[in-house]
Amino acid sequence: DTGVSQDPRHKITKRGQNVTFRCDPISEHNRLYWYRQTLGQGPEFLTYFQNEAQLEKSRLLSDRFSAERPKGSFSTLEIQRTEQGDSAMYLCASSSEMNTEAFFGQGTRLTVV
Amino acid sequence: QQQVKQSPQSLIVQKGGIPIINCAYENTAFDYFPWYQQFPGKGPALLIAIRPDVSEKKEGRFTISFNKSAKQFSLHIMDSQPGDSATYFCAASSATGANNLFFGTGTRLTVIP
Repeated sequence: DTGVSQDPRHKITKRGQNVTFRCDPISEHNRLYWYRQTLGQGPEFLTYFQNEAQLEKSRLLSDRFSAERPKGSFSTLEIQRTEQGDSAMYLCASSSEMNTEAFFGQGTRLTVV
Repeated sequence: QQQVKQSPQSLIVQKGGIPIINCAYENTAFDYFPWYQQFPGKGPALLIAIRPDVSEKKEGRFTISFNKSAKQFSLHIMDSQPGDSATYFCAASSATGANNLFFGTGTRLTVIP
């Protein structure tokens, strides 16, 4: 499978716990994006990497959120001290610099109880 | 502020009908307009995309019509099938900056057999 891969697919956590999600982009893609999607809404941009550099962060990305892409390949998104409002689908997408088309993974569904 | 406005919120058509979903934008810097299809519990899948230098693009049963002066674009699905029942999102992005996507709020399409 050469698509965007996300792990885990589902995560249930208690309020206040930390969670980490992983995204493996399409191998030749140097651009990687994280989005958040709540029920009945379109995905909203969180942050963007070009290779290993995090070049843009949305105001939606509070200081409890941190993302990394240490070697310019896979990326992780960590949420510290989770709140019920963090419950959402977290989507990763990748694209190449030469082609604007962005391909999404299946997402990680986070439920904070 | 919603950068891309999408309508209708939901749509029901008979098999063989031609559902039309409309989107409008304000930011004239947008230069890439994709449509995504999303099934429940899955990530968005790229369907078709257009750039402002053309007024129409067709791929299989899917057609995008683009009106640059009105800042509007629409998706037409020819000969719709029950398998097309999904949520459709329009989106827009600009080549300047992160090139991240701004999504509409989605249209839930139901095709009745």
